[in-house]
Order: sequence, then C-alpha cells, then structure tokens
Amino acid sequence: EVQVVESGGGLVKPGGSLRLSCAASGFTFSDSGLTWVRQAPGKGLEWVSSISSSSSYIYYADSVKGRFTISRDNGKNSVYLQMNSLRAEDTAVYYCARSPTVVKTDTRYLDYWGQGTLVTVSS
Amino acid sequence: EIVMTQSPATLSVSPGERATLSCRASQSVSSNLAWYQQKPGQAPRLLIYGASARATGIPARFSGSGSGTDFSLTISSLQSEDFAVYYCQQYNNWPQTFGQGTKVEIK
Repeated sequence: EVQVVESGGGLVKPGGSLRLSCAASGFTFSDSGLTWVRQAPGKGLEWVSSISSSSSYIYYADSVKGRFTISRDNGKNSVYLQMNSLRAEDTAVYYCARSPTVVKTDTRYLDYWGQGTLVTVSS
Repeated sequence: EIVMTQSPATLSVSPGERATLSCRASQSVSSNLAWYQQKPGQAPRLLIYGASARATGIPARFSGSGSGTDFSLTISSLQSEDFAVYYCQQYNNWPQTFGQGTKVEIK
C-alpha cells in the first residue's frame, strides 16, 4: 500500500522559517520524482517545486525561488521543503506528491499524494 | 508560463447524467495533460494522465480526450461520489500549471 505523509506545518511569523518533511512508502522511492504542491485556503492548486530521483534536476515556481529549497534523502524515503523568508501569501496546505519521473516529460504526472500539512504565516 | 483555463467554473448536473468539463492551454502541451479530482478536506486524486489514460482504479465512466491545446474530461453517468472539484494540469513545460478548477455540483 502506498503511503505519503507530510509533517512540519504550523504557525510561523512573517519572515520566519519552516521545514516540511514528507515520508513515503509502498513504491520505489529512489526511482521516483517528488513534488510539492500547495493550496491556499479556498483556492486552487499551485505547483511549488519538483526534484528528480537523484536530485540532479530541481525546479521551483517563481513565487518561491530563492526562498524555498527542496531536497531528498533516498536512504530515509523522505523529501523536504525548507521554507525561509515566509510571507502571508505562503499560507496554504502543502501537499507532497510522487511522479514516476521528473526527467521524462510524459511521466511527470502526480499519481500519489499525501493528505497535506497546513502552513499558516501570520503575526 | 502556460496558462490553463477550465470551463465552466461550476457545472450543475443531476445524478445519472453526463458531464463534460473543458480545459484549454495557452500553448500546446502535446498530450502531457492530467485531470485530478478533489473532494472537500481531501487531497487531489489522479484520474487521467497522458490526456486519455485512466489511472489505476479509476472507473470507466471517466474518460479524457484531446491534445495540443484543447482537452476534455467526460463523466458518462454521474454518481453521488463524483460531485467534487476537478483540476487539469499540464506537465509538458516548467513550471507545471493547473487550471482554476471546475466544481461539479448536484442539480
């Protein structure tokens, strides 16, 4: 059974930092691409960042570039999102999702998702 | 950035009826288009990838079509569990982008 579990969300002040974690099982983690997608309250889905299986390819949305860093530890079947200089507009549920690959275009779809972790940026 | 535009924003359908949702890309995304279903308080679920391939475990009443810039998702006979918000996503180019969603509600 596939499991994707995010953690690390919470309340943080503007300008603060937070590190999200995502632990996965039930598929070959080291062969998979991993992606963070967020959803602001009552809004649609926004792609945030993706990382390839070997961490060779990393992509960011312009809205988070220079502030967020994605990384992974294949030995721990985990992916992380380090979020710095947080703003009110970063408030959202953050989902971790898997894709078969990130490098090959036609397999970048997101087939397994976690339940999300809520990040609230407020003073 | 490729802009994905979904229509309509809300679709009111009676159970058992057919629903057709549209998604248009601002430039060609080939067939690198996915559809997701999201119910309140839940994570999105992959329905369709490659514009027309059903994901594992997805019922045959869901079908996708299109290529290039125009795509559609059809639910042949709506069941009670199908009332939800549906998003299209292009993964042909970076950044990946989602449509704004179509809410399918009970008429």
